[in-house]
Amino acid sequence: ELKVEQNPLFLSMQEGKNYTIYCNYSTTSDRLYWYRQDPGKSLESLFVLLSNGAVKQEGRLMASLDTKARLSTLHITAAVHDLSATYFCAVDLNDMRFGAGTRLTVKP
Amino acid sequence: KAGVTQTPRYLIKTRGQQVTLSCSPISGHRSVSWYQQTPGQGLQFLFEYFSETQRNKGNFPGRFSGRQFSNSRSEMNVSTLELGDSALYLCASNPGGPNEQFFGPGTRLTVL
Repeated sequence: ELKVEQNPLFLSMQEGKNYTIYCNYSTTSDRLYWYRQDPGKSLESLFVLLSNGAVKQEGRLMASLDTKARLSTLHITAAVHDLSATYFCAVDLNDMRFGAGTRLTVKP
Repeated sequence: KAGVTQTPRYLIKTRGQQVTLSCSPISGHRSVSWYQQTPGQGLQFLFEYFSETQRNKGNFPGRFSGRQFSNSRSEMNVSTLELGDSALYLCASNPGGPNEQFFGPGTRLTVL
């Protein structure tokens, strides 16, 4: 059964710092997605990664996919308060399996 | 382009009742998926419909069912509600294939 594990589950960081969120999954797949969810809101798509070595960047966020290691990373550069949210990775293997989410808090 | 809409946004039911939730996908999107989100279990896949056919189903009891209409609108039904069915139910649509999903605002169901 496909398992998707994110770590850390909680992340508190200061503005201006860098950090990486990790997403490991247990079954071969080359379809990985990152979503953001603000409190009380729905999910917003951030990145779609569809091949080994894929790298996508948007603003202070950069996502990458290593299908051989079954690992995706979401790197945050020079964090700002507006990035505070919960970030989910999801792997598509006939159905979409989500990680537990990483609750990110960026403090001044 | 209008986004995914879900109705109702909030719902309160009692145990044993049944409920129907509705989802209208983005125009042109033929795939609709449903998810249940709870603090304890996180986001769990319920089912996916594509062109009126259920393509995939998650590990939920038969009390959870769904359907899709010819205009791609989808409904999900939960019968004999249990307290544990209290959750945020999210609908997502995409054109089909390995594309990002666009999520609706969700329906928050509370079972008393």
